[in-house]
Amino acid sequence: DAGVTQSPTHLIKTRGQQVTLRCSPKSGHDTVSWYQQALGQGPQFIFQYYEEEERQRGNFPDRFSGHQFPNYSSELNVNALLLGDSALYLCASNSMGTAQETQYFGPGTRLLVL
Amino acid sequence: DQQVKQNSPSLSVQEGRISILNCDYTNSMFDYFLWYKKYPAEGPTFLISISSIKDKNEDGRFTVFLNKSAKHLSLHIVPSQPGDSAVYFCAASARDSGYALNFGKGTSLLVTP
Repeated sequence: DAGVTQSPTHLIKTRGQQVTLRCSPKSGHDTVSWYQQALGQGPQFIFQYYEEEERQRGNFPDRFSGHQFPNYSSELNVNALLLGDSALYLCASNSMGTAQETQYFGPGTRLLVL
Repeated sequence: DQQVKQNSPSLSVQEGRISILNCDYTNSMFDYFLWYKKYPAEGPTFLISISSIKDKNEDGRFTVFLNKSAKHLSLHIVPSQPGDSAVYFCAASARDSGYALNFGKGTSLLVTP
């Protein structure tokens, strides 16, 4: 049973650039959420996708955008990167139909902005 | 505005003893609470959860207690093992917000032999 997978594992970008991170949900899951974890902090909710639409959004600027594909996989895009965007980006998945309260996380993508 | 707080950044416990990790929340709309464990260079791993209609949930060595009137929950690990050494995150969510998780800053648990 494949868990949540994310790619790439690490990424280095410079200020002003754009980045795309990818996530495949756990088998049987249809909902994907993205979180940002800065050093020494807990993960912060960015947004959630279900049925290819953004359903919930946290307190992040619209430089952060996403997409969900028909196979439930998802992308997180960040435009005009700032130094403060350096963080671990976590993808989590759950099933809207059953046990929707519990999200399972991938290993994360560590983004460094120079 | 931190709606979920873990006021102890770290905790050290001897192997075989009980570990108690605490968490407080401020939003009365939260109706589901979870604990995650995180090792370095890995994503958070789901441990145990509790619905707001319960006050206790047990799974093996792990028990979560919820005190709604105090807006407080705790995770008990008995007996503690060296492999339990990790960062533990408390998270809370609400049905009305699609169960988006609100996390505390984490407590680093060290279990010594």
